[in-house]
Amino acid sequence: GAVVSQHPSRVICKSGTSVKIECRSLDFQATTMFWYRQFPKQSLMLMATSNEGSKATYEQGVEKDKFLINHASLTLSTLTVTSAHPEDSSFYICSARGAGVNTEAFFGQGTRLTVV
Amino acid sequence: AQSVTQLDSQVPVFEEAPVELRCNYSSSVSVYLFWYVQYPNQGLQLLLKYLSGSTLVKGINGFEAEFNKSQTSFHLRKPSVHISDTAEYFCAVTLTSGTYKYIFGTGTRLKVLA
Repeated sequence: GAVVSQHPSRVICKSGTSVKIECRSLDFQATTMFWYRQFPKQSLMLMATSNEGSKATYEQGVEKDKFLINHASLTLSTLTVTSAHPEDSSFYICSARGAGVNTEAFFGQGTRLTVV
Repeated sequence: AQSVTQLDSQVPVFEEAPVELRCNYSSSVSVYLFWYVQYPNQGLQLLLKYLSGSTLVKGINGFEAEFNKSQTSFHLRKPSVHISDTAEYFCAVTLTSGTYKYIFGTGTRLKVLA
């Protein structure tokens, strides 16, 4: 299957700082990218959907000013957690999907964010 | 709206025994169905998917699942599990058109015992 690379795999940041997570599709053009958040021992909760060149669509309850999503190219999307707080500590996973019907989404390896 | 239910949060099973992980979904429109496996601190790996055609789908690592439209189920099975199958398993659905966003179940922790 196609490869989605997510970087960094782990990051520790101080409370009040911002951190950026990158999601790259390595061998296909990702017209749509999804960002998920996963709490310990829980399922993946969709945060937002982004289409290349468009503003992201956020799920209900997700603060768009807190979680900035940029999808500037067909191979890269970024999630920036602004003014991070300890409660933002979580596992973040991106997925990317190419154009067309029946195309599945491929998932990155996830980023473990710890805010201290 | 779509929803996915995985009734079993944990399933312990002895090595070499068969296992079935249950998944039921709810949707008023057509969906695609998936099973993913997640190992600790890692992303998701696709086990198998149902898009159309034969309702019995075979995946990687000896897993298979059967799509049952009348029961709105997509249960995952393996005839003989290994210690290495210990992981979290997620069932997911996505619409066949539109945003294609995935809706995940709450996951089932499969623990294979020696």
